[in-house]
Amino acid sequence: QQQVKQSPQSLIVQKGGISIINCAYENTAFDYFPWYQQFPGKGPALLIAIRPDVSEKKEGRFTISFNKSAKQFSLHIMDSQPGDSATYFCAATFGNEKLTFGTGTRLTIIP
Amino acid sequence: DSGVTQTPKHLITATGQRVTLRCSPRSGDLSVYWYQQSLDQGLQFLIQYYNGEERAKGNILERFSAQQFPDLHSELNLSSLELGDSALYFCASSVGELLNSPLHFGNGTRLTVT
Repeated sequence: QQQVKQSPQSLIVQKGGISIINCAYENTAFDYFPWYQQFPGKGPALLIAIRPDVSEKKEGRFTISFNKSAKQFSLHIMDSQPGDSATYFCAATFGNEKLTFGTGTRLTIIP
Repeated sequence: DSGVTQTPKHLITATGQRVTLRCSPRSGDLSVYWYQQSLDQGLQFLIQYYNGEERAKGNILERFSAQQFPDLHSELNLSSLELGDSALYFCASSVGELLNSPLHFGNGTRLTVT
Protein backbone atom coordinates (compact mmCIF):
# COMPACT_ATOMS: atom_id res chain seq x y z
CA GLN A 1 0.00 0.00 0.00
CA GLN A 2 3.01 2.24 0.30
CA GLN A 3 3.92 1.90 -3.38
CA VAL A 4 3.97 4.69 -5.90
CA LYS A 5 3.93 3.45 -9.48
CA GLN A 6 5.52 5.75 -12.05
CA SER A 7 5.34 5.61 -15.83
CA PRO A 8 6.82 5.69 -18.36
CA GLN A 9 10.29 4.50 -17.45
CA SER A 10 11.76 6.62 -20.23
CA LEU A 11 10.35 9.31 -22.47
CA ILE A 12 11.62 11.10 -25.56
CA VAL A 13 9.93 14.36 -26.50
CA GLN A 14 10.69 16.84 -29.21
CA LYS A 15 11.73 20.35 -28.24
CA GLY A 16 8.68 22.50 -27.75
CA GLY A 17 6.43 19.55 -27.05
CA ILE A 18 4.60 18.54 -23.87
CA SER A 19 6.20 15.96 -21.58
CA ILE A 20 3.79 13.99 -19.40
CA ILE A 21 4.83 11.68 -16.57
CA ASN A 22 2.25 9.78 -14.58
CA CYS A 23 2.15 8.36 -11.06
CA ALA A 24 -0.43 6.23 -9.30
CA TYR A 25 -0.71 5.36 -5.64
CA GLU A 26 -2.70 3.00 -3.44
CA ASN A 27 -2.59 4.57 -0.01
CA THR A 28 -5.48 7.01 0.31
CA ALA A 29 -3.83 8.55 3.35
CA PHE A 30 -1.15 10.18 1.19
CA ASP A 31 -1.56 13.94 1.37
CA TYR A 32 1.64 15.41 -0.03
CA PHE A 33 2.93 14.74 -3.53
CA PRO A 34 6.28 16.25 -4.53
CA TRP A 35 8.20 15.86 -7.77
CA TYR A 36 11.98 15.75 -7.81
CA GLN A 37 14.27 16.44 -10.77
CA GLN A 38 17.66 14.78 -11.02
CA PHE A 39 20.39 15.68 -13.50
CA PRO A 40 23.22 13.23 -14.22
CA GLY A 41 25.83 13.29 -11.48
CA LYS A 42 23.61 15.31 -9.16
CA GLY A 43 21.20 14.57 -6.38
CA PRO A 44 17.44 14.96 -6.78
CA ALA A 45 16.09 18.47 -6.30
CA LEU A 46 12.55 19.42 -5.33
CA LEU A 47 10.76 20.72 -8.42
CA ILE A 48 7.13 21.22 -7.46
CA ALA A 49 4.68 19.73 -4.97
CA ILE A 50 0.92 19.51 -4.49
CA ARG A 51 -1.54 18.68 -1.72
CA PRO A 52 -4.88 17.02 -2.54
CA ASP A 53 -6.97 20.07 -1.71
CA VAL A 54 -6.24 21.39 -5.21
CA SER A 55 -6.50 19.60 -8.55
CA GLU A 56 -3.72 21.49 -10.28
CA LYS A 57 -0.62 23.49 -9.44
CA LYS A 58 1.43 25.40 -11.95
CA GLU A 59 4.93 26.83 -11.64
CA GLY A 60 6.24 28.25 -14.88
CA ARG A 61 6.27 25.51 -17.50
CA PHE A 62 5.71 22.78 -14.89
CA THR A 63 2.21 21.70 -13.86
CA ILE A 64 1.06 18.98 -11.49
CA SER A 65 -2.39 17.58 -12.16
CA PHE A 66 -4.01 15.63 -9.33
CA ASN A 67 -6.96 13.24 -9.57
CA LYS A 68 -7.92 12.16 -6.05
CA SER A 69 -10.68 9.75 -7.09
CA ALA A 70 -8.39 7.94 -9.51
CA LYS A 71 -5.45 8.12 -7.06
CA GLN A 72 -3.25 9.50 -9.80
CA PHE A 73 -1.11 12.55 -10.29
CA SER A 74 0.98 13.68 -13.20
CA LEU A 75 3.67 16.14 -14.16
CA HIS A 76 3.29 18.13 -17.35
CA ILE A 77 6.21 20.04 -18.80
CA MET A 78 5.03 22.53 -21.39
CA ASP A 79 7.29 23.78 -24.20
CA SER A 80 9.87 21.16 -23.23
CA GLN A 81 13.49 22.25 -23.64
CA PRO A 82 16.76 20.30 -23.93
CA GLY A 83 17.68 21.62 -20.49
CA ASP A 84 14.70 19.71 -19.07
CA SER A 85 16.41 16.42 -19.94
CA ALA A 86 16.74 14.70 -16.58
CA THR A 87 15.27 11.94 -14.47
CA TYR A 88 12.04 12.84 -12.72
CA PHE A 89 10.78 11.16 -9.56
CA CYS A 90 7.32 11.45 -8.13
CA ALA A 91 6.86 10.83 -4.43
CA ALA A 92 4.10 10.66 -1.86
CA THR A 93 3.74 10.77 1.90
CA PHE A 94 1.36 11.55 4.73
CA GLY A 95 1.69 12.71 8.30
CA ASN A 96 5.21 12.08 9.49
CA GLU A 97 5.82 9.13 7.19
CA LYS A 98 8.86 8.90 4.98
CA LEU A 99 8.63 9.90 1.34
CA THR A 100 7.85 6.98 -0.94
CA PHE A 101 9.45 7.55 -4.32
CA GLY A 102 8.45 6.29 -7.72
CA THR A 103 11.07 4.47 -9.76
CA GLY A 104 11.83 7.48 -11.95
CA THR A 105 11.36 8.57 -15.56
CA ARG A 106 14.32 9.40 -17.73
CA LEU A 107 13.23 12.30 -19.95
CA THR A 108 15.15 13.21 -23.09
CA ILE A 109 14.25 16.31 -25.08
CA ILE A 110 15.49 16.16 -28.66
CA PRO A 111 15.98 19.21 -30.92
CA ASP B 1 24.06 23.83 -5.39
CA SER B 2 21.98 22.27 -2.60
CA GLY B 3 24.50 23.08 0.12
CA VAL B 4 24.75 19.41 1.13
CA THR B 5 28.27 17.99 0.80
CA GLN B 6 29.01 14.31 0.40
CA THR B 7 32.41 12.65 0.32
CA PRO B 8 33.86 10.75 -1.35
CA LYS B 9 32.22 11.04 -4.78
CA HIS B 10 33.33 7.58 -5.82
CA LEU B 11 34.37 4.54 -3.84
CA ILE B 12 35.55 1.21 -5.18
CA THR B 13 36.11 -1.60 -2.74
CA ALA B 14 36.05 -5.37 -2.49
CA THR B 15 33.45 -7.68 -1.04
CA GLY B 16 33.72 -8.14 2.69
CA GLN B 17 35.23 -4.72 3.26
CA ARG B 18 33.89 -1.79 5.29
CA VAL B 19 33.49 1.80 4.10
CA THR B 20 32.37 5.09 5.59
CA LEU B 21 30.41 7.70 3.68
CA ARG B 22 30.35 11.24 4.98
CA CYS B 23 27.73 13.98 4.74
CA SER B 24 27.66 17.62 5.81
CA PRO B 25 24.13 19.02 5.82
CA ARG B 26 23.04 22.45 4.61
CA SER B 27 23.80 25.20 7.08
CA GLY B 28 20.94 25.42 9.56
CA ASP B 29 19.46 22.01 8.75
CA LEU B 30 19.15 19.69 11.73
CA SER B 31 17.89 16.56 9.97
CA VAL B 32 20.01 14.24 7.88
CA TYR B 33 18.59 11.43 5.78
CA TRP B 34 20.35 8.64 3.95
CA TYR B 35 18.96 7.13 0.76
CA GLN B 36 20.17 4.33 -1.47
CA GLN B 37 19.55 4.62 -5.20
CA SER B 38 19.90 1.59 -7.41
CA LEU B 39 18.81 1.14 -11.01
CA ASP B 40 16.04 -1.31 -10.27
CA GLN B 41 14.73 0.00 -6.96
CA GLY B 42 14.80 3.76 -7.23
CA LEU B 43 15.33 5.80 -4.08
CA GLN B 44 15.11 3.76 -0.91
CA PHE B 45 15.03 5.49 2.47
CA LEU B 46 17.60 4.11 4.87
CA ILE B 47 17.64 6.22 8.03
CA GLN B 48 17.05 9.70 9.45
CA TYR B 49 18.80 11.59 12.22
CA TYR B 50 17.61 14.78 13.83
CA ASN B 51 19.97 16.86 15.94
CA GLY B 52 22.12 13.86 16.77
CA GLU B 53 19.37 11.37 17.49
CA GLU B 54 18.03 8.61 15.30
CA ARG B 55 14.47 9.49 14.28
CA ALA B 56 13.36 6.94 11.72
CA LYS B 57 14.58 3.77 10.11
CA GLY B 58 13.72 2.49 6.68
CA ASN B 59 15.10 -0.40 4.69
CA ILE B 60 18.52 -0.32 6.30
CA LEU B 61 20.40 -3.58 6.56
CA GLU B 62 21.91 -4.67 9.87
CA ARG B 63 25.35 -4.48 8.21
CA PHE B 64 24.79 -0.75 7.78
CA SER B 65 24.86 1.84 10.53
CA ALA B 66 24.87 5.61 10.75
CA GLN B 67 25.38 8.38 13.22
CA GLN B 68 25.07 12.14 13.42
CA PHE B 69 27.74 14.04 15.27
CA PRO B 70 27.42 17.18 17.47
CA ASP B 71 28.48 19.36 14.52
CA LEU B 72 25.54 17.76 12.63
CA HIS B 73 27.61 15.99 10.02
CA SER B 74 26.67 12.37 9.51
CA GLU B 75 28.43 9.18 8.55
CA LEU B 76 26.99 6.04 7.00
CA ASN B 77 29.02 2.92 7.71
CA LEU B 78 28.63 -0.07 5.41
CA SER B 79 30.30 -3.31 6.47
CA SER B 80 30.71 -6.86 5.15
CA LEU B 81 30.03 -5.41 1.73
CA GLU B 82 28.36 -7.50 -0.93
CA LEU B 83 28.14 -7.01 -4.69
CA GLY B 84 24.51 -6.02 -4.28
CA ASP B 85 25.48 -3.04 -2.14
CA SER B 86 26.83 -1.30 -5.23
CA ALA B 87 24.66 1.78 -5.63
CA LEU B 88 24.48 5.53 -5.30
CA TYR B 89 24.14 6.65 -1.71
CA PHE B 90 22.56 10.03 -1.17
CA CYS B 91 22.46 12.17 1.88
CA ALA B 92 19.73 14.77 2.23
CA SER B 93 19.03 17.37 4.85
CA SER B 94 16.08 19.43 6.01
CA VAL B 95 15.39 22.06 8.62
CA GLY B 96 12.75 20.19 10.54
CA GLU B 97 12.47 16.69 11.89
CA LEU B 98 9.39 15.63 9.97
CA LEU B 99 10.07 12.88 7.49
CA ASN B 100 8.06 14.70 4.84
CA SER B 101 10.00 17.96 5.09
CA PRO B 102 11.36 19.30 1.78
CA LEU B 103 14.65 17.51 1.22
CA HIS B 104 17.90 18.95 -0.07
CA PHE B 105 20.05 16.23 -1.57
CA GLY B 106 23.80 16.05 -1.94
CA ASN B 107 25.39 14.78 -5.15
CA GLY B 108 25.83 11.29 -3.79
CA THR B 109 28.59 8.76 -3.32
CA ARG B 110 28.84 6.08 -5.98
CA LEU B 111 29.87 2.83 -4.32
CA THR B 112 31.16 -0.02 -6.44
CA VAL B 113 31.79 -3.34 -4.74
CA THR B 114 33.93 -5.75 -6.79
